[in-house]
Amino acid sequence: EVQLLESGGGLVQPGGSLRLSCAASGFTFTTYGMTWVRQAPGKGLEWVSTVIGDGTTYYADSVEGRFTISTDNSKNTLYLQMNSLRAEDTAVYYCAKGRDRIRISSGWDYWGQGTLITVSS
Amino acid sequence: QSALTQPASVSGSPGQSITISCTGTSSDVGGHKYVSWYQQHPGKAPKLMIYDVTNRPSGVSNRFSGSKSGNTASLTISGLQAEDEADYYCSSYRDFSTVVFGGGTKLTVL
Repeated sequence: EVQLLESGGGLVQPGGSLRLSCAASGFTFTTYGMTWVRQAPGKGLEWVSTVIGDGTTYYADSVEGRFTISTDNSKNTLYLQMNSLRAEDTAVYYCAKGRDRIRISSGWDYWGQGTLITVSS
Repeated sequence: QSALTQPASVSGSPGQSITISCTGTSSDVGGHKYVSWYQQHPGKAPKLMIYDVTNRPSGVSNRFSGSKSGNTASLTISGLQAEDEADYYCSSYRDFSTVVFGGGTKLTVL
């Protein structure tokens, strides 16, 4: 059974940093791309970042230069390092598994339960 | 990165069919085959319903179907059921290796 379990959420001050983790199980982690999607309270979904199977990373303009996506294949874990956080980064962050190794948007077929990040002083 | 355009809400009675549109540009919906649709119930994670415009993942009811014409993709749900009441989001690959979502559509089953 595929499982994705996010952790690392919480309250952080503007300008601060936070690292999210997504522990994956039930599939061969290196065979699929992985993605972060966020959802601000009461709002729609927003794509944040994707890492595909060859390690290439992609970012939304809104987080480029502030967020870094990475994986630890030995731990089957996806990360999102978030720096210079802003109030508008407040959202539930979901990790999601891609349907294949290379395409960044051919559907995300498994999602974690989400972790809430609140950026506020 | 402006969102794809979806109607804010649609509604239908049990047993009826509804269609949700998702309008983009030639840089995203019109120019690529990577359109997906997600269902999200309140407080839950999204669920993939359609990928690559027309394909249904294993386990998704065949009452759900996807299509595309020009810059507009569509999700059709036939034989509406109470459990279909949810928010629906489209997403598409966009030029220069980005992904964009629609603003979401709230489906109400009357």
